[in-house]
Amino acid sequence: SQQGEEDPQALSIQEGENATMNCSYKTSINNLQWYRQNSGRGLVHLILIRSNEREKHSGRLRVTLDTSKKSSSLLITASRAADTASYFCATRRGSTLGRLYFGRGTQLTVWP
Amino acid sequence: GAVVSQHPSRVICKSGTSVKIECRSLDFQATTMFWYRQFPKQSLMLMATSNEGSKATYEQGVEKDKFLINHASLTLSTLTVTSAHPEDSSFYICSARDRGESFYYNEQFFGPGTRLTVL
Repeated sequence: SQQGEEDPQALSIQEGENATMNCSYKTSINNLQWYRQNSGRGLVHLILIRSNEREKHSGRLRVTLDTSKKSSSLLITASRAADTASYFCATRRGSTLGRLYFGRGTQLTVWP
Repeated sequence: GAVVSQHPSRVICKSGTSVKIECRSLDFQATTMFWYRQFPKQSLMLMATSNEGSKATYEQGVEKDKFLINHASLTLSTLTVTSAHPEDSSFYICSARDRGESFYYNEQFFGPGTRLTVL
């Protein structure tokens, strides 16, 4: 069953603006990962944040994790049209042998 | 990052036929591979987990006799959709986990997916 829930389900912004997507989950986790999926393609791993980390950066991406609220956010700064894609969060629980639980995803559209 | 390939990328078949999809880890050894199914604008649903040299573990509601999974080597897993029907039409994605020292912190690498259309 799915674990995470992203919001918003869809986000439409102009190039240059920042995009923020949120992910909430229900049970304790070992780590949380964000993926991007272009239409009709496979998933690209963006960033992994461990349960003992609070913030992580990678280029224009910034991910935060609040385990007390069971939530994470993905911030894409200075967005580009090429960032248009679906973004999924996925959690790995400590008690499960390696499987990832995916959220429903946020469809991000960046207009030039 | 590590590369996972899938073949074919797209397949169209007639109802009642069987279709095999291959998933390969190209530059690493994958002790575990995962098979997902994704409907349009939906999330990924895990179908089964495949460990090299042993039987796959199927998720609840997934028919193991319909979706045959074989993980014969550390770089290859196959999914065979037997007696395919139009409702099996979907996007199938495999994923492989690299061997690592820390079991829980290994990344999973995803293939590009296979679009199956059953007429």
